[in-house]
Amino acid sequence: DQQVKQNSPSLSVQEGRISILNCDYTNSMFDYFLWYKKYPAEGPTFLISISSIKDKNEDGRFTVFLNKSAKHLSLHIVPSQPGDSAVYFCAARVRNAGNMLTFGGGTRLMVKP
Amino acid sequence: GAVVSQHPSRVICKSGTSVKIECRSLDFQATTMFWYRQFPKQSLMLMATSNEGSKATYEQGVEKDKFLINHASLTLSTLTVTSAHPEDSSFYICSALDRRGSEKLFFGSGTQLSVL
Repeated sequence: DQQVKQNSPSLSVQEGRISILNCDYTNSMFDYFLWYKKYPAEGPTFLISISSIKDKNEDGRFTVFLNKSAKHLSLHIVPSQPGDSAVYFCAARVRNAGNMLTFGGGTRLMVKP
Repeated sequence: GAVVSQHPSRVICKSGTSVKIECRSLDFQATTMFWYRQFPKQSLMLMATSNEGSKATYEQGVEKDKFLINHASLTLSTLTVTSAHPEDSSFYICSALDRRGSEKLFFGSGTQLSVL
């Protein structure tokens, strides 16, 4: 049973426009969420995170929104740049449970010039 | 910032041989490291949690005798794939938990294992 789901395997966006990547989860014990960016043959790099006590966290071009009632989070990238093209993973963690992350399946973002 | 070094980045080996992958935290002590596996176009799947000075905790379905994990120091964890077979070919990634501050998780650059 996948506890973290990214239902869109890929997304194509024009440069300068907004990219919205979505993530849904089922485990109500998750209280910390993270987004990672991954290039081929490289390890993921941390992008942005959000605690369950917040509904929004912003860092430059990246904003993460959390809707706890819907068990849904999204990553907004604006404006999108060609260098943002990568696979984006959302991940969730149950605090005080060994810091293990549960990853979604990833969404491949392609930003076209 | 914190850096996690993973070595080797790519290895090709014959079936039946063993392969060791190293994961080092370069500027912080990591009492906890994680090992993941990723198949093409699939998510990262946690294999095991490695705690310094104690036995690793393996996820369900991961053979602990096949994937040996040693976390002998606060900066080094190793994953040894024993008697590798073609189905073990995958991308293996480690991560280390930096407990300073907000407890961030940093990933190594991954190891592409190809078993012939």
